[in-house]
Amino acid sequence: DSGVTQTPKHLITATGQRVTLRCSPRSGDLSVYWYQQSLDQGLQFLIQYYNGEERAKGNILERFSAQQFPDLHSELNLSSLELGDSALYFCASSPKIGGYNEQFFGPGTRLTVL
Amino acid sequence: GQQVMQIPQYQHVQEGEDFTTYCNSSTTLSNIQWYKQRPGGHPVFLIQLVKSGEVKKQKRLTFQFGEAKKNSSLHITATQTTDVGTYFCAGYLTDSWGKLQFGAGTQVVVTP
Repeated sequence: DSGVTQTPKHLITATGQRVTLRCSPRSGDLSVYWYQQSLDQGLQFLIQYYNGEERAKGNILERFSAQQFPDLHSELNLSSLELGDSALYFCASSPKIGGYNEQFFGPGTRLTVL
Repeated sequence: GQQVMQIPQYQHVQEGEDFTTYCNSSTTLSNIQWYKQRPGGHPVFLIQLVKSGEVKKQKRLTFQFGEAKKNSSLHITATQTTDVGTYFCAGYLTDSWGKLQFGAGTQVVVTP
């Protein structure tokens, strides 16, 4: 158990819908990262927040948005869902910003778009 | 395109054998991290290498960071069934803190 929690565990929805994935980082961790893992794309970095502020952006679609709240939990919003958005979405956290910290991954949310 | 490449994509190993997985970057990396993801699980941090030419060992696992900080390798000796999973290398490009670039991973299957 990494100490990072993600809800829900599974999500099944239809094309065109909007969903929200939630992540609570490890106690004390200020950085939150979101990743998408699909069979053909591997682990793709989406976005990073540090203490409530966006700090780095990866290959995140415009239909996707995220935020980190004052209590440090984060939400990833996916809208106008397409079949290709079906994937495992991981949240990870680390104590500080920057590259010298290991990232602790949550169990993931499996999203299926029908 | 993918800047951190891993080979091989799949590795079938007989229990007791050794194998190596390689990670190559098109650009210099600030550091490299290795993660392991068991089937149905989430990535778990194994180790981080920072210095050019650095070598670190964890029991049967040996990790190396290349002199030019563009490649890395993970060597596992005497493979066990517990080594099953996907091994990912991940690195930060020197000008992109926060954007951890993951390789596609090497999926390891161990035959008893």
